[in-house]
Amino acid sequence: GENVEQHPSTLSVQEGDSAVIKCTYSDSASNYFPWYKQELGKRPQLIIDIRSNVGEKKDQRIAVTLNKTAKHFSLHITETQPEDSAVYFCAASRPSSASKIIFGSGTRLSIRP
Amino acid sequence: GAVVSQHPSRVICKSGTSVKIECRSLDFQATTMFWYRQFPKQSLMLMATSNEGSKATYEQGVEKDKFLINHASLTLSTLTVTSAHPEDSSFYICSARKRVDEKLFFGSGTQLSVL
Repeated sequence: GENVEQHPSTLSVQEGDSAVIKCTYSDSASNYFPWYKQELGKRPQLIIDIRSNVGEKKDQRIAVTLNKTAKHFSLHITETQPEDSAVYFCAASRPSSASKIIFGSGTRLSIRP
Repeated sequence: GAVVSQHPSRVICKSGTSVKIECRSLDFQATTMFWYRQFPKQSLMLMATSNEGSKATYEQGVEKDKFLINHASLTLSTLTVTSAHPEDSSFYICSARKRVDEKLFFGSGTQLSVL
């Protein structure tokens, strides 16, 4: 079945440094790859997404890259700040709004002051 | 924006009782909604896919008679935990997928505690 693997499970970086989270997916029909940020006790929030017709997308300090051939996609956060501390989930989905979105296991990101 | 409202946020009930959780998309139509269960410090475990006007599709290992899902309209899906037991205690969270751009938005979750 469909599977999304996410690494690392925990990540600690110095404030101001960059953080990278990597995911791989198994379903070659996947074409939509969102990333969610979940703060403690809160709902997951969509922070950025990318579709298979694009290799890279950037939104201020956040960027996502996609390698369809290798079935890899990554989240890059630059100039990290304390408020970036949270759990981040990657996900993958096939086309259509009726398709389920498969989530990775999550990465707990801690920013050290 | 895209707002998904989920109620109640917290419920405590006695073992054997049933609990209903509502999920509403407030400013968009959602033909498909999803229900997840999340254990502390773990990922989102998909329980079922709720389709408006049709039966829900349950993931392997999820009892459909235990977790009743109804998607009565394009903006409302409900999850009823029937005859709840302590092992059903968990954080339940719904999500709704926008038809126009396929983006998924989450409700605020329901913390269920069964005594």
